[in-house]
Amino acid sequence: AQSVTQLDSQVPVFEEAPVELRCNYSSSVSVYLFWYVQYPNQGLQLLLKYLSGSTLVKGINGFEAEFNKSQTSFHLRKPSVHISDTAEYFCAVTPRGGYNKLIFGAGTRLAVHP
Amino acid sequence: SQTIHQWPATLVQPVGSPLSLECTVEGTSNPNLYWYRQAAGRGLQLLFYSVGIGQISSEVPQNLSASRPQDRQFILSSKKLLLSDSGFYLCAWSVSGGDHEQFFGPGTRLTVL
Repeated sequence: AQSVTQLDSQVPVFEEAPVELRCNYSSSVSVYLFWYVQYPNQGLQLLLKYLSGSTLVKGINGFEAEFNKSQTSFHLRKPSVHISDTAEYFCAVTPRGGYNKLIFGAGTRLAVHP
Repeated sequence: SQTIHQWPATLVQPVGSPLSLECTVEGTSNPNLYWYRQAAGRGLQLLFYSVGIGQISSEVPQNLSASRPQDRQFILSSKKLLLSDSGFYLCAWSVSGGDHEQFFGPGTRLTVL
């Protein structure tokens, strides 16, 4: 079975500062990894995904994440945040070769302050 | 392009009343379909998934049920709602045999009073 731990439930940050949202996972098999963003009262939107290849993945809105297999981590980063980045961020994994069942972390609320 | 619809957007129901939430996908065939619930301040819990018409798998025991009467239609139902059924319900789809990305609908906010 797989599990996902998002180490911070809330991350406050000032506008134009860098941010890192942490995600660790546990799995006995290889996985694919995802980061989704959810704005208030909306569905989830994919930010980026890691399937294979380069461990540094670039996504939309200036976000990137790095897959670290030895540390079983997939932390999300942005060098300079905007007010509009205020949202809930979810890390998710799915086992390779499965039917696409996503296991989500509990989420991290990013609050960007002026 | 593909789109996913959910309705209603919001719903307020009394305890013990029935429930029917609908999700439809356009622009794709034979998608995998999913129902999630998101309780206030918490992550997403997978409730049901379907890999084809009439094929439903339940992830958690509860008083909810799901049906897939057509290829691109997924319905979440209950005969009698409980207070604990309140939450934000999200439908999602993915390409069967694809790269595992799931695409989410706009969600339904359900409040049970």
